[in-house]
Amino acid sequence: DAKTTQPPSMDCAEGRAANLPCNHSTISGNEYVYWYRQIHSQGPQYIIHGLKNNETNEMASLIITEDRKSSTLILPHATLRDTAVYYCIVRVWGGSNYKLTFGKGTLLTVNP
Amino acid sequence: DGGITQSPKYLFRKEGQNVTLSCEQNLNHDAMYWYRQDPGQGLRLIYYSQIVNDFQKGDIAEGYSVSREKKESFPLTVTSAQKNPTAFYLCASSIHWAGNTEAFFGQGTRLTVV
Repeated sequence: DAKTTQPPSMDCAEGRAANLPCNHSTISGNEYVYWYRQIHSQGPQYIIHGLKNNETNEMASLIITEDRKSSTLILPHATLRDTAVYYCIVRVWGGSNYKLTFGKGTLLTVNP
Repeated sequence: DGGITQSPKYLFRKEGQNVTLSCEQNLNHDAMYWYRQDPGQGLRLIYYSQIVNDFQKGDIAEGYSVSREKKESFPLTVTSAQKNPTAFYLCASSIHWAGNTEAFFGQGTRLTVV
């Protein structure tokens, strides 16, 4: 699976959009981009995933660049409860082993 | 409610003792996983199971053992051979072992060995 690079930390004001970047310059054509988040002392929570088209669900939007080398997770109206570590993961669809390789992620702090 | 349950949330053990962490899921998922997380670090895979009665070593399996006798259960034993067992342990499951499916995580067990 391709490696990802994320900033270690970001701040966002409550009510504003939080834009979390992720670089995955070695991504292959059959690899998906997944986002999870982990609130302190809890298990990670799935947010969204995509291949090449932009995706949106009730939690967030995922914007993937045309060359697929980077992506941005957007929380449109951040709340204090969105403070968490956000993990960007790239994994192969239909691979022989299912392993989520979590790096250190981005600590998003939403400030009042 | 469907979900994945880990127990207990906090666990204390003396050095040299084996300890078993529980993980149960009622999601009818085939695949289950155990991860370890140390402070400020990402998750590292200990063991995973693609189907009942089958399991495979992950990246840091030494000092750990698992069993998968039932689809819904995947207990992890931390043995005395594990050099640094104090950590946050996370169990996860997914519908299949491969394919475009997301993983669901439990709330974790924080193990402290004194």
